[in-house]
Amino acid sequence: DGGITQSPKYLFRKEGQNVTLSCEQNLNHDAMYWYRQDPGQGLRLIYYSQIVNDFQKGDIAEGYSVSREKKESFPLTVTSAQKNPTAFYLCASSTDGGYYGYTFGSGTRLTVV
Amino acid sequence: GQQVMQIPQYQHVQEGEDFTTYCNSSTTLSNIQWYKQRPGGHPVFLIQLVKSGEVKKQKRLTFQFGEAKKNSSLHITATQTTDVGTYFCAGPDGGTSYGKLTFGQGTILTVHP
Repeated sequence: DGGITQSPKYLFRKEGQNVTLSCEQNLNHDAMYWYRQDPGQGLRLIYYSQIVNDFQKGDIAEGYSVSREKKESFPLTVTSAQKNPTAFYLCASSTDGGYYGYTFGSGTRLTVV
Repeated sequence: GQQVMQIPQYQHVQEGEDFTTYCNSSTTLSNIQWYKQRPGGHPVFLIQLVKSGEVKKQKRLTFQFGEAKKNSSLHITATQTTDVGTYFCAGPDGGTSYGKLTFGQGTILTVHP
């Protein structure tokens, strides 16, 4: 079945460490997105990519980095520069500019310890 | 930038009561999408509205898009415990194209049996 796979489901990180969250899709979608979810704040866009080898900053890109070397993959690195990284991270993809809605992965819950 | 506001933030109902959440955008939208996120889960696409004044139904759920295409609502008739979750509306950034979505903060629905 087609879908989006995020791994790991839970991740613990020590302060000062970089960590990379994986996002893989086999839906043949062109666009991919990373959102951060905090309680009471909805979903906030970190980065998005509409084609391979191209990506743009979202509303809260500071302290994060991404790459899009393959259509299927859009990993997110949370760097030590991110001041408050503990959150639920959601990856999504879409086709036809999002006309049929986003498909989300099951998310990665990152905790800084 | 574009803002999408949802009210209420929380709603507690008894099973069988109706529920409505409202979504307002600071800009005119080309379309609006609705998502549901079950507790501990990820957002799932429910529906998209495109036309001014459009009304769509999915069983007990009724979705409306305002005449000015700046507001929308989701109404659930006779709630059931399976309706529990957070309901998000989302509109495309820039108002005139699909793609990057701005999400509302969501309405958390609790249903008491």
